[in-house]
Amino acid sequence: IAGITQAPTSQILAAGRRMTLRCTQDMRHNAMYWYRQDLGLGLRLIHYSNTAGTTGKGEVPDGYSVSRANTDDFPLTLASAVPSQTSVYFCASSVGTSGNTDTQYFGPGTRLTVL
Amino acid sequence: QQPVQSPQAVILREGEDAVINCSSSKALYSVHWYRQKHGEAPVFLMILLKGGEQKGHEKISASFNEKKQQSSLYLTASQLSYSGTYFCGAGGGGNKLTFGTGTQLKVEL
Repeated sequence: IAGITQAPTSQILAAGRRMTLRCTQDMRHNAMYWYRQDLGLGLRLIHYSNTAGTTGKGEVPDGYSVSRANTDDFPLTLASAVPSQTSVYFCASSVGTSGNTDTQYFGPGTRLTVL
Repeated sequence: QQPVQSPQAVILREGEDAVINCSSSKALYSVHWYRQKHGEAPVFLMILLKGGEQKGHEKISASFNEKKQQSSLYLTASQLSYSGTYFCGAGGGGNKLTFGTGTQLKVEL
């Protein structure tokens, strides 16, 4: 079934630990995105990638890093987790790189709790 | 800066109509609307493009006022399945969307 998968589904993490959230899409979409969703703040863009080998910063990139080694995978890494990074993380993708006309498709999300 | 959505929350009886508004302080090239059910991922509803072209599906309509930098989502004859949180995403150029804080919609019998 075509779509986006994210792993893990949920995770409880001790502050200071390193964590990588995985995202894989099989739709051959060029662009991929990472968002965090917090109550009352909606979806905020962390990082994005227009194509394999390129990445860019979103609204809230601090404390996060990404890589895009191939078309399908877009992992998000928290180098040293802090409690303020407790959130639900969504990965998304779109066919092209024109956000103005391309629909973004979202994965099921990862619920991360940092204690 | 995130678009402002109004109302923040609304409760409807099945069959009633609702309007959700989205207002941006920046110039808009497009507006995307998504609906999210509790515990699920956001799902695309509709996109409105500068110049008037509208793409979408389902029995939901929307408008886009470029001059006022505003969009409105119209839900008519609401059904129980319309319940969820609605987000507008503002396309201001490039491939990044800035999402509003959401409108919680609950449809009751």
